[in-house]
Amino acid sequence: DAGVTQSPTHLIKTRGQQVTLRCSPKSGHDTVSWYQQALGQGPQFIFQYYEEEERQRGNFPDRFSGHQFPNYSSELNVNALLLGDSALYLCASSFLLSGQGAHEQYFGPGTRLTVT
Amino acid sequence: AQSVAQPEDQVNVAEGNPLTVKCTYSVSGNPYLFWYVQYPNRGLQFLLKYITGDNLVKGSYGFEAEFNKSQTSFHLKKPSALVSDSALYFCAVRDIDYTTSGTYKYIFGTGTRLKVLA
Repeated sequence: DAGVTQSPTHLIKTRGQQVTLRCSPKSGHDTVSWYQQALGQGPQFIFQYYEEEERQRGNFPDRFSGHQFPNYSSELNVNALLLGDSALYLCASSFLLSGQGAHEQYFGPGTRLTVT
Repeated sequence: AQSVAQPEDQVNVAEGNPLTVKCTYSVSGNPYLFWYVQYPNRGLQFLLKYITGDNLVKGSYGFEAEFNKSQTSFHLKKPSALVSDSALYFCAVRDIDYTTSGTYKYIFGTGTRLKVLA
């Protein structure tokens, strides 16, 4: 049973560029959340996707957008990259029981984004 | 708003000694609390959770956590530390949005670096 997978592992981009990160959830999971973890800090919630829609969003600008596909995989897109976007981007998957949300999230290994 | 606090940036403990990593929480309603561990250049690994029931929760790798409602704490413990336990530990609380079909997010603490000395 494959866990949560993310690609690429590492990425180096220049300020102003755009980036797309990818995530495949754990088998059986239908909900994907994205987190940003800056160096020395805890993960910060970006947004969550369920049924191909953004269901919740953290305090991140519109430059951060996402998508969920019918197979539950997800993409995180960041436009107009800033130096401050350099971080480890974590994807987490879970199985959402409607109205309950009873299950813990399982995290992927992350994508390390460096903006120069 | 839900939040957790980890008051210690780093905890040092000798191998074989008991360890405690502290976490306090602030929530409205019943708390759903979690501990995760992160090794260098890796994602977060789930250790244990408290949803309801016994105040002492058993988790992976010999870890346990004690939920204390009166002190609003959820401290992570292990009776005998191993050098391989050295890592970054995060406490988290689940914040459920009941207006959106029960979707939820995790709010993480700032992390505590555990160093187990041989």
